[in-house]
Formats: sequence, C-alpha cells, structure tokens
Amino acid sequence: GENVEQHPSTLSVQEGDSAVIKCTYSDSASNYFPWYKQELGKRPQLIIDIRSNVGEKKDQRIAVTLNKTAKHFSLHITETQPEDSAVYFCAASKGFQKLVFGTGTRLLVSP
Amino acid sequence: AAGVIQSPRHLIKEKRETATLKCYPIPRHDTVYWYQQGPGQDPQFLISFYEKMQSDKGSIPDRFSAQQFSDYHSELNMSSLELGDSALYFCASSFITPGWEGYTFGSGTRLTVV
Repeated sequence: GENVEQHPSTLSVQEGDSAVIKCTYSDSASNYFPWYKQELGKRPQLIIDIRSNVGEKKDQRIAVTLNKTAKHFSLHITETQPEDSAVYFCAASKGFQKLVFGTGTRLLVSP
Repeated sequence: AAGVIQSPRHLIKEKRETATLKCYPIPRHDTVYWYQQGPGQDPQFLISFYEKMQSDKGSIPDRFSAQQFSDYHSELNMSSLELGDSALYFCASSFITPGWEGYTFGSGTRLTVV
C-alpha cells in the first residue's frame, strides 16, 4: 500500500522567512496530494492541494510543487507569520480513496 | 456553509465500556471516512463508506464496527474500550459522483478512556 514520508519533523523559522516541507510517496498510482494544517486539538484544515496532472499550484503565500517522476511533493510557505505555526501534514490518495498521511511537521514561526 | 458534524465533541469512558461516535456528512456528499489520531500522531485511516456500503477498511480493530445509514450519517461503535483507544476520532466526507470533490473533516470527537 501507499507510504508517505515527510521531512522535517520540526521546523523553526523567523517571521518573514520561507518554510519548505517535503514529502515522498511510494505508490505511483496516487494522483491527489493535499496539505493540511492542524492546530492543537483541532481538525485538519485543507490549505492547498494538487492533482497529478499539474506540476505546481500557488495560492497567495502558499505553493505546492509535484514531481511525479521522483514521487515527491513539497509545500512552500513564503513570508511566514507567527499564525502559520502549527503542524502540517501532507497526504496522498488515489482519487476518492483513503488519505495516507505523512507523519507531520511542526512549524514554529518566531516573531 | 454546512460542514461535517461530529458528536459528541468529547467523551470519557471507562475501560471495557462501549462508545458510539456519530458523523453527519455534508449534504450531498456520498462518502464518509473515519480516522483515528493518537497524541502526536498522524491520522490513521479506519474505515470508509460509499453509498452506505463499506468501501475500504484500514487499521480498524475487530472491537470496532461502523455503518452508514440511509440518511448518510455514519456511526462508529467501539466496544471493550482500552486505554490505547484514547484519541481524536475524525470523520471526513467527500463527493464522488458525478465528479470527485475533496475531503472535508469534522471537528472530531476526543475520546478519553480511563
């Protein structure tokens, strides 16, 4: 089955810096790659997603890139703000099938 | 906009007791998924239903069962509770037909087994 690895497990940046989180997946049939932001005790919130027919997607300060050949995808956050501090999960799925999550990255943005 | 509704928000049970978690998907969503998230862990897929039929099964213990009802709400039944069952349980829903629409998670049920 699908296996998703996520790095780093923790990431500390200064406000205004960029943050990059990377994930790799094992199943070449996976075609949907969402990123979730989760604050303590709250639900995962979708922040951006990408499908396998697209190499890059951007939404304001957040972007995701996908390399199907290498089977990895990355989350890029620019101009980080303290409120970006949270745990970020990548995930992979084949369309409507179950999400397989990465192990999470705790992002800390210091003022 | 309507969201995925889960109840209860918090639940405290003793070991060996039974718990029932409920999930009400977004109207017109036809698929429900259940995930378990232990402290500091990533969400783990338990089970899913499409059009009231079980569509996939993950790492769900035999002590747990689930179903989706005619109104599309789903219930996760957990028996013989163990301390290790303490976790956040999330339900998510999506819309598969005619075109797939991504997941929306509910706010979760925090189950504490004492």
